[in-house]
Amino acid sequence: GAGVSQTPSNKVTEKGKYVELRCDPISGHTALYWYRQSLGQGPEFLIYFQGTGAADDSGLPNDRFFAVRPEGSVSTLKIQRTERGDSAVYLCASSLAGRQDEQFFGPGTRLTVL
Amino acid sequence: SQQGEEDPQALSIQEGENATMNCSYKTSINNLQWYRQNSGRGLVHLILIRSNEREKHSGRLRVTLDTSKKSSSLLITASRAADTASYFCAPAGFQKLVFGTGTRLLVSP
Repeated sequence: GAGVSQTPSNKVTEKGKYVELRCDPISGHTALYWYRQSLGQGPEFLIYFQGTGAADDSGLPNDRFFAVRPEGSVSTLKIQRTERGDSAVYLCASSLAGRQDEQFFGPGTRLTVL
Repeated sequence: SQQGEEDPQALSIQEGENATMNCSYKTSINNLQWYRQNSGRGLVHLILIRSNEREKHSGRLRVTLDTSKKSSSLLITASRAADTASYFCAPAGFQKLVFGTGTRLLVSP
């Protein structure tokens, strides 16, 4: 595709449920990033993939959060036992090679935990 | 980490005026990037300035970088209502990007 896509665009779930958020990066981009953003704040780094491996997962808040990128393209962010505090916009970005490159962001998934 | 801190937090101007926003950071960088965000959704990359550059232009955007002061500025000339957005700087090196809270720019017709 022409840009980074994310699905779903909106997700409403109940506290305690499991959710999966999907990111399709730009074809050929080896680096992929997940961020989350709360109202009035800047994007908060969660995890960075280089190819299939998580090169830096230091931003994941706790073990309820997990992300995979099994074939080095599409990535899924998985949140177990969701809490109301997980409500935010989850942004995915990709870049051609690494962290120093321009990042192309998707439109985000707005997650609401009731 | 290498967080950028934008200043001011909010800026309100009239169409046609220039808007200047600043960024400060603390660590050594390879480059510094500016992004724009409309309506709380995806960020759009505006411009990248490398650590060995002092000034860069792109259309109505002018970015300066002073590595000795660890600061950068973004100037938007002849602003338009469509420039209304939040602007973030992102100092880039070998660590994760850490975005600040941004500058919220409001351009009134």
